[in-house]
Amino acid sequence: ILNVEQSPQSLHVQEGDSTNFTCSFPSSNFYALHWYRWETAKSPEALFVMTLNGDEKKKGRISATLNTKEGYSYLYIKGSQPEDSATYLCALTMDSNYQLIWGAGTKLIIKP
Amino acid sequence: NAGVMQNPRHLVRRRGQEARLRCSPMKGHSHVYWYRQLPEEGLKFMVYLQKENIIDESGMPKERFSAEFPKEGPSILRIQQVVRGDSAAYFCASSLGDLSASPLHFGNGTRLTVT
Repeated sequence: ILNVEQSPQSLHVQEGDSTNFTCSFPSSNFYALHWYRWETAKSPEALFVMTLNGDEKKKGRISATLNTKEGYSYLYIKGSQPEDSATYLCALTMDSNYQLIWGAGTKLIIKP
Repeated sequence: NAGVMQNPRHLVRRRGQEARLRCSPMKGHSHVYWYRQLPEEGLKFMVYLQKENIIDESGMPKERFSAEFPKEGPSILRIQQVVRGDSAAYFCASSLGDLSASPLHFGNGTRLTVT
């Protein structure tokens, strides 16, 4: 059974602070890793698709790194803002390139 | 460029009725996915379609559920003889290509309530 683990499950961060969280996965048969942001009452929004070991991607204050050899990805948020409050999901494509295996998400709450 | 369009946003059905959920993918996208989110749970894959073909329906219950993506028109997820346990948010997503390179673009979902 393939498992995508995200930690922590939830996180409270003071506005202005930077934060990061983890997505762990089995490193064999890796194709790509996706990060999504899911705000309450909205739909998931794609942040990054990453494929190469050592890949780093950035979108504004949010960045992500990928280590396929050891099976983890970090998502970083610099200078958290209230609008960053959301659940952050990672998902993998492995043997199949149309099936995504989803993590349970990290729920981020920014305290003003 | 319009995003993924789902309708209706909210749908109320009595037990035993049929529910039809529609999804128009982003322009140029030929890959459509349906997901279900049960209360207090995450996204569960249901079915993956390309134009006129069901590629993988392994996440969809064998009975009462069906999906199509015709040559013309939106993708339809159809639930016959709905039961209370079908109450959930149903999300459609589309992608430009396979997921090794393309992200999913999600619609706003249809929230189905079975009374």
